[in-house]
Amino acid sequence: DMKVTQMPRYLIKRMGENVLLECGQDMSHETMYWYRQDPGLGLQLIYISYDVDSNSEGDIPKGYRVSRKKREHFSLILDSAKTNQTSVYFCASSPGSAETLYFGSGTRLTVL
Amino acid sequence: TQTVSQSDAHVTVFEGDSVELRCNYSYGGSIYLSWYIQHHGRGLQFLLKYYSGNPVVQGVNGFEAEFSKSDSSFHLRKASVHWSDSAVYFCAVSLDTNAYKVIFGKGTHLHVLP
Repeated sequence: DMKVTQMPRYLIKRMGENVLLECGQDMSHETMYWYRQDPGLGLQLIYISYDVDSNSEGDIPKGYRVSRKKREHFSLILDSAKTNQTSVYFCASSPGSAETLYFGSGTRLTVL
Repeated sequence: TQTVSQSDAHVTVFEGDSVELRCNYSYGGSIYLSWYIQHHGRGLQFLLKYYSGNPVVQGVNGFEAEFSKSDSSFHLRKASVHWSDSAVYFCAVSLDTNAYKVIFGKGTHLHVLP
């Protein structure tokens, strides 16, 4: 069905709490991404996953970690969330290098 | 360092007008270029891409883009816009040395007035 699904769509957490954002894709894509989007900044790359247990830092990895134990799932974890991590987080998948990215609908995270 | 810049944060046109959304990049080597569209509250959707060959590429919904190596540009155009084209448009680049890493510009918000 060519879909990237992100859960939850909206999330409110308190500073210091742990946050888990989940992403799934049904296209058997090798590559998956996590970006965050902030007003005036566009999308910033947090992590890339090339396949199961093969992850690489993007441009702003500090404060985040990822987990990919199955090809179809890619999780973003915030250990002890900070207020400056309030953002909209997008997951994307791609068949491989230089291919089209398919995006989920995003998770709007608010850290109070 | 690869950078991509979209000089216009907002562009406003009337329905039926033509529009050009600008994208410039800075990198001396081979580069992959693409455009994505984001409607309000949604994820990004692919419009078109270029790597080599004909510098004018056609995308969905009547969009096209033209690559210019001399200007380091990849501007997006549409001959006649519809109100439903109102959205944020992102230019994206990746390098052939690491084509997995896709970097996005800050986006241009296109407003189409009736």
